[in-house]
Amino acid sequence: LAKTTQPISMDSYEGQEVNITCSHNNIATNDYITWYQQFPSQGPRFIIQGYKTKVTNEVASLFIPADRKSSTLSLPRVSLSDTAVYYCLVGDYNTDKLIFGTGTRLQVFP
Amino acid sequence: DVKVTQSSRYLVKRTGEKVFLECVQDMDHENMFWYRQDPGLGLRLIYFSYDVKMKEKGDIPEGYSVSREKKERFSLILESASTNQTSMYLCATGDERGPSYEQYFGPGTRLTVT
Repeated sequence: LAKTTQPISMDSYEGQEVNITCSHNNIATNDYITWYQQFPSQGPRFIIQGYKTKVTNEVASLFIPADRKSSTLSLPRVSLSDTAVYYCLVGDYNTDKLIFGTGTRLQVFP
Repeated sequence: DVKVTQSSRYLVKRTGEKVFLECVQDMDHENMFWYRQDPGLGLRLIYFSYDVKMKEKGDIPEGYSVSREKKERFSLILESASTNQTSMYLCATGDERGPSYEQYFGPGTRLTVT
């Protein structure tokens, strides 16, 4: 089964750029990489999705190298409201099942 | 806006009880999912369904069953609840197979089995 690993936690200050990396060593060939944000007592919420290279939307950027064995979620100029847990989601090459990363708890300080 | 609702936010059951967790969506999505979320383990897929009366096992189906009699409703059943099933349960929906699309999550049900 694919291992999808993320750092357990990260700290940042308001206005800084935060980069969260997810390692997915057995990602399915044709599947996208999706990132979610989760606040306490809520379900995860979609942030961004990509297949390769770079994707940018109004919230974040997603960087994916050519081998697709990892991805980096980039949050520009974080604010206190970005304090949350961030998950990556990929499909496993062997089982075709969905694998969430273990999540990264981001704490933003004033 | 997609709305995914779950029947309860908090539930306390006794060991051995049969437990039903219901999920309802209003967006006519084909796919529905049940996850459980535990500290340090993230979200793990229990079962999913890509059509009415269809179901497929996720990573941790043992001790659970599901039912999808109508497109908008997906139920998770614990036939005989055990303490190791104490967890947060999250339902999600989406309109295409695989993770190459946005999943919409409900608010979750925190189940405690005593």
